[in-house]
Amino acid sequence: KAGVTQTPRYLIKTRGQQVTLSCSPISGHRSVSWYQQTPGQGLQFLFEYFSETQRNKGNFPGRFSGRQFSNSRSEMNVSTLELGDSALYLCASSLDTGTAGNTIYFGEGSWLTVV
Amino acid sequence: AQKVTQAQTEISVVEKEDVTLDCVYETRDTTYYLFWYKQPPSGELVFLIRRNSFDEQNEISGRYSWNFQKSTSSFNFTITASQVVDSAVYFCATSGLTGGGNKLTFGTGTQLKVEL
Repeated sequence: KAGVTQTPRYLIKTRGQQVTLSCSPISGHRSVSWYQQTPGQGLQFLFEYFSETQRNKGNFPGRFSGRQFSNSRSEMNVSTLELGDSALYLCASSLDTGTAGNTIYFGEGSWLTVV
Repeated sequence: AQKVTQAQTEISVVEKEDVTLDCVYETRDTTYYLFWYKQPPSGELVFLIRRNSFDEQNEISGRYSWNFQKSTSSFNFTITASQVVDSAVYFCATSGLTGGGNKLTFGTGTQLKVEL
């Protein structure tokens, strides 16, 4: 069974540009979440999507957005990149059973460097 | 709000030693969930264990064991007979209903270095 797949794995962008990261969840998983990991702030929740709807959102500016498609695949977008956006972006999926506490599985992440 | 504290920033042990990683959590939820993840240098967060707040039974899986104590809000993780391959950053996390069912709040992680 394939795990959570993220693309691209590594990318370098210039300040002011935008970036789109892609995530394919584990087959059958309908919930997809995104996290940002930086040395200074640690692992922080960005947002969660379920059945193409944003169900939960963390404390990030509007430059960070996401969406989910009917096949549960998800993308996140960061516009007007800043140096501080350099981070590891992790996608996670879960077999949402309608209750809390589902086991959440993570992908290998996308390493974004903003120069 | 939920909070997870991993006071140990870095631990170094010699192979075959036992090591315990501490985790203390705070939550207002009466029902909550606790997790441990392992992050090797590749970056992927590898799921290790999930426990429910109403199940305080400790668990052993091979060389891994977990000690959940509600009275002290702790969920500690022990590796027995550590190996070099155990070297990684280990994260404790929690989720609950008020934070959104699938939203994880992570601790700052403990870097474990196992040397020969």
